[in-house]
Amino acid sequence: GAVVSQHPSWVICKSGTSVKIECRSLDFQATTMFWYRQFPKQSLMLMATSNEGSKATYEQGVEKDKFLINHASLTLSTLTVTSAHPEDSSFYICSARDPGTGYQPQHFGDGTRLSIL
Amino acid sequence: GQNIDQPTEMTATEGAIVQINCTYQTSGFNGLFWYQQHAGEAPTFLSYNVLDGLEEKGRFSSFLSRSKGYSYLLLKELQMKDSASYLCAVLDSNYQLIWGAGTKLIIKP
Repeated sequence: GAVVSQHPSWVICKSGTSVKIECRSLDFQATTMFWYRQFPKQSLMLMATSNEGSKATYEQGVEKDKFLINHASLTLSTLTVTSAHPEDSSFYICSARDPGTGYQPQHFGDGTRLSIL
Repeated sequence: GQNIDQPTEMTATEGAIVQINCTYQTSGFNGLFWYQQHAGEAPTFLSYNVLDGLEEKGRFSSFLSRSKGYSYLLLKELQMKDSASYLCAVLDSNYQLIWGAGTKLIIKP
């Protein structure tokens, strides 16, 4: 089945550091990838839709200058949390839509747990 | 606005059957997904319904009624490993996934 790889799975860093998270589709080409954030015991919150070769579409309330998204190829999207602060600590999950399947389910990476000290 | 409702939490006994309901009001409909999410992990795809009726996949079945804006996920022969959150999501007319808040299922021995 479709596999999405996300790296790293866990990051602990100091406040003010920038952190890059990678999301790769391993066995299909994903023109569209999605970035979610999930706080403990809460539902997924869509942050942005990443489109290959064009600018990402950000959801309302998400700072595009803080959460930089790059989707440079059909198999890789990156999310960079710039100048991270403790309030950015969260579980970040990417997903990719598999265009090879008619109903295009989203397949998720394993997530990145970000802790800012 | 768009809205998906599902119970916050349910409890069931190992070996039993449980039904998790989901009602939705969205701008258009291109299918409904169920995902399973264990604590601290990413969601995994369980099922997809776009036509009315029941889709069976092993111990899990998913039902859809488009006229009622209603779906349920049925889990049979419950096992302890089924303890997780179950997320209902609808693909709207723009092919955007609208997520429910999830139902936390607790399985007791």
